[in-house]
Amino acid sequence: GNSVTQMEGPVTLSEEAFLTINCTYTATGYPSLFWYVQYPGEGLQLLLKATKADDKGSNKGFEATYRKETTSFHLEKGSVQVSDSAVYFCALETSNFGNEKLTFGTGTRLTIIP
Amino acid sequence: DAGVIQSPRHEVTEMGQEVTLRCKPISGHNSLFWYRQTMMRGLELLIYFNNNVPIDDSGMPEDRFSAKMPNASFSTLKIQPSEPRDSAVYFCASSSQETQYFGPGTRLLVL
Repeated sequence: GNSVTQMEGPVTLSEEAFLTINCTYTATGYPSLFWYVQYPGEGLQLLLKATKADDKGSNKGFEATYRKETTSFHLEKGSVQVSDSAVYFCALETSNFGNEKLTFGTGTRLTIIP
Repeated sequence: DAGVIQSPRHEVTEMGQEVTLRCKPISGHNSLFWYRQTMMRGLELLIYFNNNVPIDDSGMPEDRFSAKMPNASFSTLKIQPSEPRDSAVYFCASSSQETQYFGPGTRLLVL
């Protein structure tokens, strides 16, 4: 079956530090991969996605590259800000037609200290 | 677009009472998902619909939970009778072309 394993949190960094949150997956077929972010008191929102091997998703300074050979989709940002404090979820979907359920990781809580 | 709309945003009820959570998906989206989030269990998919038809309800915890989608613009999640362990944040999400859009959630507290 499908599964997503992501870095245990919480993660605490100083402002302007480099961020990596690891995510690996197990899936049948050829999944699409996602990072969602949840800010305090809000629902999840899509941060970035990649639909095929070697694709790079990027948004708001965050990047993640779809690595089929290592079954990974690690999230990176070169210089984090206090406003990046949130919970980050890695997820995958294997439907060929979309609109199917996502398999989420457990989430990684990130706190950025000024 | 207003996004996914959920109501109520907060609900406090007593054990044994019926609770109904409501969701209006984004217009044109044909899949709808109900999730539950707690500190202990994280984010759990309860049920999802495609074109108003329930596709997978394997995440529904027990018979006290039921969900309906009578039309493309409305869905309900009902808990009857409610129990303290049902206290959680319940999210509705809708999707089109892979990306799911989440509502703000309903924070439920069962006393």
